[in-house]
Amino acid sequence: DTGVSQDPRHKITKRGQNVTFRCDPISEHNRLYWYRQTLGQGPEFLTYFQNEAQLEKSRLLSDRFSAERPKGSFSTLEIQRTEQGDSAMYLCASSFHDLRGARTEAFFGQGTRLTVV
Amino acid sequence: AQKITQTQPGMFVQEKEAVTLDCTYDTSDPSYGLFWYKQPSSGEMIFLIYQGSYDQQNATEGRYSLNFQKARKSANLVISASQLGDSAMYFCAMREGTDSSYKLIFGSGTRLLVRP
Repeated sequence: DTGVSQDPRHKITKRGQNVTFRCDPISEHNRLYWYRQTLGQGPEFLTYFQNEAQLEKSRLLSDRFSAERPKGSFSTLEIQRTEQGDSAMYLCASSFHDLRGARTEAFFGQGTRLTVV
Repeated sequence: AQKITQTQPGMFVQEKEAVTLDCTYDTSDPSYGLFWYKQPSSGEMIFLIYQGSYDQQNATEGRYSLNFQKARKSANLVISASQLGDSAMYFCAMREGTDSSYKLIFGSGTRLLVRP
């Protein structure tokens, strides 16, 4: 395990279809984050997990979006009824935090580029 | 209001020279953290350097240093001795509050091109 892994790297889908992305964090990391990055912009925070608990969701995460981390390891991000405006890079990151506040930096994956046609 | 502002969409620098990438931020929280990330064409965000709002000294990491001017709310990245591999997008980001999560607010980025 050398880093955060995201699958697939690229996804082209027709408008209205559902898509699911997967993120495998660094194995000992207990926090996992999803970001969305549109062309020419910086990433925008979507949601994050501490172990299996989803602790925060951005208002960017509409009801068509759902994220899970069922066993506190990998995470999935599903978009239902995709729209052209969902076309973006979806980035996953992970980090480790303990109760004393010690933490690692966040490591990002290479992202999943979604194109909705 | 925009929280992180990067006013340079693109920058050129000659190999082996130093370059400064600008970043200004806006927050009313006395506790915050500032980050710089590099994003090569492969897509992943690579952490470069971190500055805490209470840190007394400017952060340095190898060829990277952060020129932190708290009163001006600026956190410029200085890359010394530029290399061809430094060509990439660079993002400034901020975390507000004492929460140690990585819920970050990013700027729009600066594309740096290093000329041989």
